[in-house]
Amino acid sequence: NAGVTQTPKFQVLKTGQSMTLQCAQDMNHNSMYWYRQDPGMGLRLIYYSASEGTTDKGEVPNGYNVSRLNKREFSLRLESAAPSQTSVYFCASRGGQLNTEAFFGQGTRLTVV
Amino acid sequence: GQQLNQSPQSMFIQEGEDVSMNCTSSSIFNTWLWYKQDPGEGPVLLIALYKAGELTSNGRLTAQFGITRKDSFLNISASIPSDVGIYFCAGPETGTYKYIFGTGTRLKVLA
Repeated sequence: NAGVTQTPKFQVLKTGQSMTLQCAQDMNHNSMYWYRQDPGMGLRLIYYSASEGTTDKGEVPNGYNVSRLNKREFSLRLESAAPSQTSVYFCASRGGQLNTEAFFGQGTRLTVV
Repeated sequence: GQQLNQSPQSMFIQEGEDVSMNCTSSSIFNTWLWYKQDPGEGPVLLIALYKAGELTSNGRLTAQFGITRKDSFLNISASIPSDVGIYFCAGPETGTYKYIFGTGTRLKVLA
C-alpha cells in the first residue's frame, strides 16, 4: 500500500525561486491537507481541500498556493521562496473508520537559501 | 478553539520499562488519534479511538478514550530502543475538516 506519496523528499531553493511540492494518495480519500513542521512548533496547517474542487486556507497560508488537481492529487506551490519557508512539509489525507483518521506522507524537507 | 495538552513533554526510560503519556482537553473530542513520528519521517497512526471508555491495543501499545471524552492516554509496555520518537495525540476539530494536534511527548529509551 503506497498510502500518501510526496515528492520530492529533499529540495534546496534559492530565495525567489518557485517550486511545486507534489502529493498523491491512493486511498480514495476526499479530504487532503498540507502542513509545515518547524522545530518546536508542531504541525501547522497551510491549506486543506475538503473535497475535490475545493480548497481553503489554514493557519499559515501566506506565500503558498495549492491545487486540487483531482481526487488523488493535491499540490503545494511556492511562487517566490523565502528563507522563512525553510521547513518540513507534510501532506495528509483523511479517511479510515468514521472518516476521522489522518494519514501522512513521508515529508519534503525544504531549505531556502 | 479546541486545544490538546499533552504530558509529559519528554521522558527518559530504561529499556523494558512501561511508559504512560496522556492528552487532555477542555472540550470534547469524538475521536482520539495517537501517532508516532520518527526523526525525518512522517507521523504514523498507531491507534484510533472512537467511543468514550474504549480501550484499544496495538501490540505493546494500549490507548484509552476517557469517559468524559476530554482525555486519552497511551501506554507502551516493555519499551525497546525502537520506541524512541515523538508521540502525539490528535483529534478532528468539531464542525470542521481540520485536526487539533497535541504538543507531543519525546521518548528516549536508555538501553
